[in-house]
Amino acid sequence: RKEVEQDPGPFNVPEGATVAFNCTYSNSASQSFFWYRQDCRKEPKLLMSVYSSGNEDGRFTAQLNRASQYISLLIRDSKLSDSATYLCVVNKGSGYSTLTFGKGTMLLVSP
Amino acid sequence: DAGVTQSPTHLIKTRGQQVTLRCSPKSGHDTVSWYQQALGQGPQFIFQYYEEEERQRGNFPDRFSGHQFPNYSSELNVNALLLGDSALYLCASSFPDGDNYGYTFGSGTRLTVV
Repeated sequence: RKEVEQDPGPFNVPEGATVAFNCTYSNSASQSFFWYRQDCRKEPKLLMSVYSSGNEDGRFTAQLNRASQYISLLIRDSKLSDSATYLCVVNKGSGYSTLTFGKGTMLLVSP
Repeated sequence: DAGVTQSPTHLIKTRGQQVTLRCSPKSGHDTVSWYQQALGQGPQFIFQYYEEEERQRGNFPDRFSGHQFPNYSSELNVNALLLGDSALYLCASSFPDGDNYGYTFGSGTRLTVV
């Protein structure tokens, strides 16, 4: 089983749609959780951290369920500029901090 | 405030050759991690350097080696290149604290092996 698994995608949605991405992780000792955004042929950039209580940043909402080892990202009112690959990322934080990435889910928002 | 800088941006090498990629961390960061991102995949952890020593390593063969210098900059060396080594190589700098997640990524070096 892969350490971090994501929906395979791509997701094709019209502008204004709501889209949800799902992710599961295998290491129950994982400490920190993130969503990164990666534009085509660019480096990954931190979109938001994910907390057990759930957190929101504008149109973006992230949720974490530690019991189910499940992470989600909801994007409301999609914009053309949201088109990118969304990477689910886990930091095991077991002494040394290293990031484990999912394969990513591509989002294409069309007019 | 300079972020993470990587060089070169693009590189083409022949199978069997050796390559060295370079990374300068963000100001204030002293830990450098290297990742390999093949086309259509997420970044895969290669290794991490702190205090000039490799302190963690991912599932990569010994052909992949690295170094960290006293100024915290780092090199990634790959020997005996294979076609499958073609990828985007990302360097990320951070603080060494396991609870700190302030990673900053460089824009990467795109390596093509022919």
